[in-house]
Amino acid sequence: DAMVIQNPRYQVTQFGKPVTLSCSQTLNHNVMYWYQQKSSQAPKLLFHYYDKDFNNEADTPDNFQSRRPNTSFCFLDIRSPGLGDAAMYLCATSRVAGGPDTQYFGPGTRLTVL
Amino acid sequence: AQSVTQPDIHITVSEGASLELRCNYSYGATPYLFWYVQSPGQGLQLLLKYFSGDTLVQGIKGFEAEFKRSQSSFNLRKPSVHWSDAAEYFCAVGGNAGNMLTFGGGTRLMVKP
Repeated sequence: DAMVIQNPRYQVTQFGKPVTLSCSQTLNHNVMYWYQQKSSQAPKLLFHYYDKDFNNEADTPDNFQSRRPNTSFCFLDIRSPGLGDAAMYLCATSRVAGGPDTQYFGPGTRLTVL
Repeated sequence: AQSVTQPDIHITVSEGASLELRCNYSYGATPYLFWYVQSPGQGLQLLLKYFSGDTLVQGIKGFEAEFKRSQSSFNLRKPSVHWSDAAEYFCAVGGNAGNMLTFGGGTRLMVKP
């Protein structure tokens, strides 16, 4: 089945230690998104790629970076995680950005910062 | 700017009872509307969506939703709730190309035996 895969499902890091989360997709979608979801809150969009075109949300901290080396893979880098960055990180994909199209989500990576 | 309101943060229903989760949106043009469900520790799964046409849309797991433009609402319904429906439900609105999804705050559904 075509799907969105996130690895690892659970990640523990130390305060200030860089961490990378990964996402891959077999849907061949043009757009990939990264969301942050804190406990009992709605997902918050961090950034998205339309193909190789990177789009950063205005309020996404500089501590968060992303890479998309090819259509299938996208990475979220947190340069210096703080305690406030502990959250579920969701990757999603869609064929186009916006419009009558559906975003498909991966299972998420739960990040714990010690 | 587009927005979504889910007025009920928590809802508890008995198994077998009917369910309605409310969603109100604000968007200046034709909205594209979605309901997603999230089980604990999992990603979001699409239940159903409305893009155009018939305002009553059917989704997976026996869910349906009705788009009412005059009320700016897209309420989710299920005639008989199962214990496995306990989860968090998110309503979302999207717009024209380039407009990202805006999510509501979510409604946590608990099901009593």
